Amino acid sequence: GAGVSQSPSNKVTEKGKDVELRCDPISGHTALYWYRQSLGQGLEFLIYFQGNSAPDKSGLPSDRFSAERTGGSVSTLTIQRTQQEDSAVYLCASSFRQGARGYTFGSGTRLTVV
Amino acid sequence: QKEVEQNSGPLSVPEGAIASLNCTYSDRGSQSFFWYRQYSGKSPELIMSIYSNGDKEDGRFTAQLNKASQYVSLLIRDSQPSDSATYLCAVSSMRGSSNTGKLIFGQGTTLQVKP
Repeated sequence: GAGVSQSPSNKVTEKGKDVELRCDPISGHTALYWYRQSLGQGLEFLIYFQGNSAPDKSGLPSDRFSAERTGGSVSTLTIQRTQQEDSAVYLCASSFRQGARGYTFGSGTRLTVV
Repeated sequence: QKEVEQNSGPLSVPEGAIASLNCTYSDRGSQSFFWYRQYSGKSPELIMSIYSNGDKEDGRFTAQLNKASQYVSLLIRDSQPSDSATYLCAVSSMRGSSNTGKLIFGQGTTLQVKP
């Protein structure tokens, strides 16, 4: 596609429920990143996929968080047993060549856990 | 912990003035530097990239890099109210001499341009 597409744009869920967030990167971009941004805060790195390499999961805050990338394209970020502190905007980005020329971000998914 | 630091602001400038946004970074091996603009409620948008020491100009924007001082800045000339946003500095993360592929973001500086 022309840009990075994320869905849903907004998600309200009850504490304890699981959620799945989807990201469709720019066609041809080999690198895909997930970040989250809490209200008034900076960007917190979560996970990074590069081609067929093992993902860099070093930013995942707990084992309730996981992500996969199928066929080198679409990615799904799953949060199990959501907690109120998971409320944030989840941003996906993609790039050529390990981000050497910067990332393009999607419009984000705003997650609210009630 | 490799870090990128920015003054959170807000930085307030009158319309038509030059806005100067600054960023320091801790990883001396970083090779790529970016400025993103983020409007309230929107996602970050890449506006400038710089890879070598000196100045790089693009329209009203000038990025400046000094690797010896580990310092990168963004100048916005003839500031407009539409430039009011948060500006994020991002720096490539290195492991030894290899690029990890990740960017480390600063907390951002909020710019307010007053008519």
